[in-house]
Amino acid sequence: EVQLVESGGGLVQPGGSLRLSCAVSGFTFSNYEMNWVRQAPGKGLEWISYISGTGNTVHYADSVRGRFTISRDNARNSLYLQMNSLRVEDTAVYYCARRGTYRHYDYWGRGTLVTVSS
Amino acid sequence: DIQMTQSPSSLSASVGDRVTITCRASQSISSYLNWYQQTPGKAPKLLIYAASSLQSGVPSRFSGSGSGTDFTLTISSLQPEDFATYYCQQSDSIPNTFGQGTKLEIK
Repeated sequence: EVQLVESGGGLVQPGGSLRLSCAVSGFTFSNYEMNWVRQAPGKGLEWISYISGTGNTVHYADSVRGRFTISRDNARNSLYLQMNSLRVEDTAVYYCARRGTYRHYDYWGRGTLVTVSS
Repeated sequence: DIQMTQSPSSLSASVGDRVTITCRASQSISSYLNWYQQTPGKAPKLLIYAASSLQSGVPSRFSGSGSGTDFTLTISSLQPEDFATYYCQQSDSIPNTFGQGTKLEIK
């Protein structure tokens, strides 16, 4: 069974940092591209970052570029999102999602809530 | 970036109704269009990928069509569990942008 489990969310002050993790199981992690998607309270879905299977190619949304870093450890079956210089507007539930063969996001984690507030 | 526009933003319907949601891309995305369903407090769930392919385990009352810039999601006969928010997403190019969502409510 494919599973994705996010962790690392919490309350942080503006300007602070957090590292999110996504532990996966049930598939060969290195064969799949991965993404982070977030959803602010009461709002829609926002794609924020992509990483290739090898980790050699990454992309970011303009809203997080230069502040967030996506990475992966294929030996540990884990995806990460290092978030620095956090802003109030980064408050959201953060989801990791697997990108399938037709570029669709076929499996999602349950999400982890990040709250940026003083 | 490719902009995705869904309509309507909200919709009231009854159990048994046929419902159609549309999604328009700001430029051609071929058939790289996906549909997701989200209920409150839950992660999005993939319904349709590549514009018209039904994800495994999704009921056949859901269907998708379109190519290029105009796409539709149709629910042939609404069931109580279908009342949710629906999002389209283009996966033609990064950023893989989402539509703003369509909230389907019980009439």
